[in-house]
Parts: sequence; structure tokens; C-alpha cells
Amino acid sequence: AQKITQTQPGMFVQEKEAVTLDCTYDTSDPSYGLFWYKQPSSGEMIFLIYQGSYDQQNATEGRYSLNFQKARKSANLVISASQLGDSAMYFCAINAGGTSYGKLTFGQGTILTVHP
Amino acid sequence: NAGVMQNPRHLVRRRGQEARLRCSPMKGHSHVYWYRQLPEEGLKFMVYLQKENIIDESGMPKERFSAEFPKEGPSILRIQQVVRGDSAAYFCASSLNQDTYTEAFFGQGTRLTVV
Repeated sequence: AQKITQTQPGMFVQEKEAVTLDCTYDTSDPSYGLFWYKQPSSGEMIFLIYQGSYDQQNATEGRYSLNFQKARKSANLVISASQLGDSAMYFCAINAGGTSYGKLTFGQGTILTVHP
Repeated sequence: NAGVMQNPRHLVRRRGQEARLRCSPMKGHSHVYWYRQLPEEGLKFMVYLQKENIIDESGMPKERFSAEFPKEGPSILRIQQVVRGDSAAYFCASSLNQDTYTEAFFGQGTRLTVV
């Protein structure tokens, strides 16, 4: 079984500053994927970034980057140059090999508030 | 290219009624996944279906809940005799296949309220 731990219930950041949202994971499967999603107050789940366990480089997507430290089993999300629209709930998730790649295990989430 | 479509967006049911939630996957996708999000929590996997087959229902409650994905038409999550504890957001995701999976496309969710 897989497990995701997000230890920060809430985070605050000043507009235009960078912020790191923590995520640690646990899995016994050597092949897995790590995902970050944003859930604004409107409720939809917005895919942000993906990191495969065998990827050599950290994933980046625009202002989002994933600080992947495999030995520490951490996959922290870094948002650079925060914007007011980044205020939302952020979820880290993992899937693992086997028969069901789409079966994601989510963490409890971190609420990010961006201050002007 | 339309995304994953869920309807209704909001559903109110009285205790004891049935709730039917629909999910149309992205065009060409034949794998559908249902998740439930209770208030203040992350999403929890419920069931994984391919056309006409249930592949993994390890997250489905044993009673009152069922899911199907017929050859034609959307996937349906059905909750019989709803109770207050069923109030949650239900999300559907779809994928092209199970061999590689680098992005999950979620619908906007159905918010079920049981009164």
C-alpha cells in the first residue's frame, strides 16, 4: 500500500515570493509516480505536475517545480513568484505499479494563502 | 477536446433516496476512476472501471454503493438509500490506458448533499 503525508495544514506566503509545500511518501513498489494537484475554492482538481520514480531530473512546469529526493522519499512542490490566484488547497498523490495506474493515493492537503 | 464531464454538479437527496452520479470520460479514454472527498479531507479511491468491467473496487463501501461503465454511455456511480454520511464531493477521472499514466484528468466533481 502507498501512503502520502503532508504535514503542513496551512501555509502563508507573500505575493511574488516562493513557497515550498512538503510531501513525503511511502511505497514498497520500485516504480511509482508522484502528482501534485491544486483545488481552488470552486472545487475542481487541477493537475499541476508529475514526477516518475525513474526520472533523473526534477520535474518543472512553468512556475511549479518538484524537489524530488528519492532517498528521503520526499516530493516537495515549489511555487515560484506566488500569485494571489495560487491561494488554494494543494494535494500530493502517488500511484504505483501493478494493474491500476490510475489508482491514486492522496495526502490530506495543504491550504496555501497568498497575501498581497 | 472536451474534458471529463460529470453531472450533475450539485445533487441534493433526502435520506433514503437514491443518488446517481454520471461521468463521461475524455474522448478515447476507456478507463474511469471514481474518488470521494469528504469535507476537509483528501480524495479517496473508490473504484476503477473499464468498459463493461469493474477492475478494482477495493475502495467501495460494501453496501449501497455500485458502479458501472457500460459499452455505450457514461459511467454511473449509484448510491442507494443515502445517509447523511454520504454527503461528499465525488470525482471521476479518466485515462487512455493503464500502461503509462502520467496525468490524471479529473472532472469537476458532483457535490452530494443528503438532507
